[in-house]
Amino acid sequence: EDQVTQSPEALRLQEGESSSLNCSYTVSGLRGLFWYRQDPGKGPEFLFTLYSAGEEKEKERLKATLTKKESFLHITAPKPEDSATYLCAVPVGARQLTFGSGTQLTVLP
Amino acid sequence: GAGVSQSPRYKVAKRGQDVALRCDPISGHVSLFWYQQALGQGPEFLTYFQNEAQLDKSGLPSDRFFAERPEGSVSTLKIQRTQQEDSAVYLCASSYQGSNQPQHFGDGTRLSIL
Repeated sequence: EDQVTQSPEALRLQEGESSSLNCSYTVSGLRGLFWYRQDPGKGPEFLFTLYSAGEEKEKERLKATLTKKESFLHITAPKPEDSATYLCAVPVGARQLTFGSGTQLTVLP
Repeated sequence: GAGVSQSPRYKVAKRGQDVALRCDPISGHVSLFWYQQALGQGPEFLTYFQNEAQLDKSGLPSDRFFAERPEGSVSTLKIQRTQQEDSAVYLCASSYQGSNQPQHFGDGTRLSIL
């Protein structure tokens, strides 16, 4: 069965304290991995797509990497405005995304 | 705006009532998806349209759930005879074509069944 597991469930960081979020997956024939950010009361906001092992993408303080079994979202010198839930997802079959349960990140000033 | 628009943002209904949730996707997006999100969980797939054709409805939890997209643009998710377990946030997403393209989400409809 295709599964996506995210860890940790919650993470509290001090402003400037770098860390990484993990997304592990078991999908046959990976056709991409998506990272999203979700703020309270909002829909998920697209961040990155990764398609092959070894690929990396960056946006401001965020960098996403992909291996054959997992993806990491590295957050460098985070700020309070980076506080949100971060979701990863993989396409299953030809259509829908299967999401992990997310990591709730809190960055304290 | 150019994003996915959903209405209403909040809906409160009594158990047994029917509700209809609307999604207006990004113009030109062929694919449209509905997801259900419980508190503290990631979105779960409900159904998928390519233009006006509903190609996958495997995630709909019961035959009380019905979705349509008659002209290949706006979509409506209807829930008949609502039950308390239907309380959740219902998210709509659209993409240019297929699930390999990034899906762009609306802000959802928070449904509460009393």
